[in-house]
Amino acid sequence: DAKTTQPPSMDCAEGRAANLPCNHSTISGNEYVYWYRQIHSQGPQYIIHGLKNNETNEMASLIITEDRKSSTLILPHATLRDTAVYYCIAHNNAGNMLTFGGGTRLMVKP
Amino acid sequence: ETGVTQSPTHLIKTRGQQVTLRCSSQSGHNTVSWYQQALGQGPQFIFQYYREEENGRGNFPPRFSGLQFPNYSSELNVNALELDDSALYLCASSPQQGIAYEQYFGPGTRLTVT
Repeated sequence: DAKTTQPPSMDCAEGRAANLPCNHSTISGNEYVYWYRQIHSQGPQYIIHGLKNNETNEMASLIITEDRKSSTLILPHATLRDTAVYYCIAHNNAGNMLTFGGGTRLMVKP
Repeated sequence: ETGVTQSPTHLIKTRGQQVTLRCSSQSGHNTVSWYQQALGQGPQFIFQYYREEENGRGNFPPRFSGLQFPNYSSELNVNALELDDSALYLCASSPQQGIAYEQYFGPGTRLTVT
């Protein structure tokens, strides 16, 4: 899996959009961008993934730049329950081994 | 549908001892992966089992070993415990190999080695 770089921490006001950036400048053509989050004292939870196109599901949106060297996870209306560590992972879907970095600790504040 | 469960929740062991951690995979899932998460860090892949065979291993010494049973539940065994083995141990199950978005994590077992 290609290396990813994320800011260690971010704050967001409740009800506002949280935009979490990720740099993956060495990503290979067959690697997807995956996002997981880990709420305190729980296991990681899958959020969303994409290859080239932007993706949206009930939890979040994923914006991938045209050159695929970076991406942004968007939580459109952050709630206190979105406080968690968010991990961006580049993964080629060959095997289930995920390479987690340090992630971004998102703190949603009232 | 029952999710991934792990036991015990917490465990305290002494350096040099051996420990066994257990994981029940989600119904219909035949692949189990184990991860170690030290405090303040992301999870690190230990190994994966697919249909009772080890199918991939991370950078962990042989004293970390595992088993997968016919019902696809799994055990992680750690021998000769060291202080640095203190961590949250996570297991994740998936219905097949290679599809990370269908990988579901359990809540983890918190191991403390004193």
